Amino acid sequence: RKEVEQDPGPFNVPEGATVAFNCTYSNSASQSFFWYRQDCRKEPKLLMSVYSSGNEDGRFTAQLNRASQYISLLIRDSKLSDSATYLCVVESGGSYIPTFGRGTSLIVHP
Amino acid sequence: EPEVTQTPSHQVTQMGQEVILRCVPISNHLYFYWYRQILGQKVEFLVSFYNNEISEKSEIFDDQFSVERPDGSNFTLKIRSTKLEDSAMYFCASSEDRPGDGEKLFFGSGTQLSVL
Repeated sequence: RKEVEQDPGPFNVPEGATVAFNCTYSNSASQSFFWYRQDCRKEPKLLMSVYSSGNEDGRFTAQLNRASQYISLLIRDSKLSDSATYLCVVESGGSYIPTFGRGTSLIVHP
Repeated sequence: EPEVTQTPSHQVTQMGQEVILRCVPISNHLYFYWYRQILGQKVEFLVSFYNNEISEKSEIFDDQFSVERPDGSNFTLKIRSTKLEDSAMYFCASSEDRPGDGEKLFFGSGTQLSVL
């Protein structure tokens, strides 16, 4: 089983839509969780950390479900500029090295 | 805002040649990493470095790879004898503290390595 799994998409949504992505992880001892954003052929950039209680940053909401071992990202009122690949990152194992999922592609169209 | 810088942005080399990819991590960061991303695939961990030694490495990081911090600012990845399958985007990253406890990674803009 892969350590971090994501639906690759693409998710194709109109402007203004709400879209949600999930990510599952295999190591129940995982410690820290993040969502990164990656534009085409660019470096990953931190979007937000994911806290146990869930957290919100503007139009973005992240949730963690430890029992089912998944994290989610909800984007409300999608903008054209939200088009990107969203990478789930999990720190687990003894060394807590950040491990990336393959990413979920989002395309927001007019 | 402080950033991780990488040079060169593109590197083309012949199979069997040695390449050195350079990175300048954020100045007060203590942990450094190399990741790579083959076109269309996920970002893969290669190696982490702390206190002038490798702290973790993946299966990808075999004997043809090495890392070095030759001075107080640069962090380099050397590939001794490049193979076609080494063609990828190589990202350097740094973090202020050790992974875990929500420590964030800051990435450089990458070096696109093409092995011909």
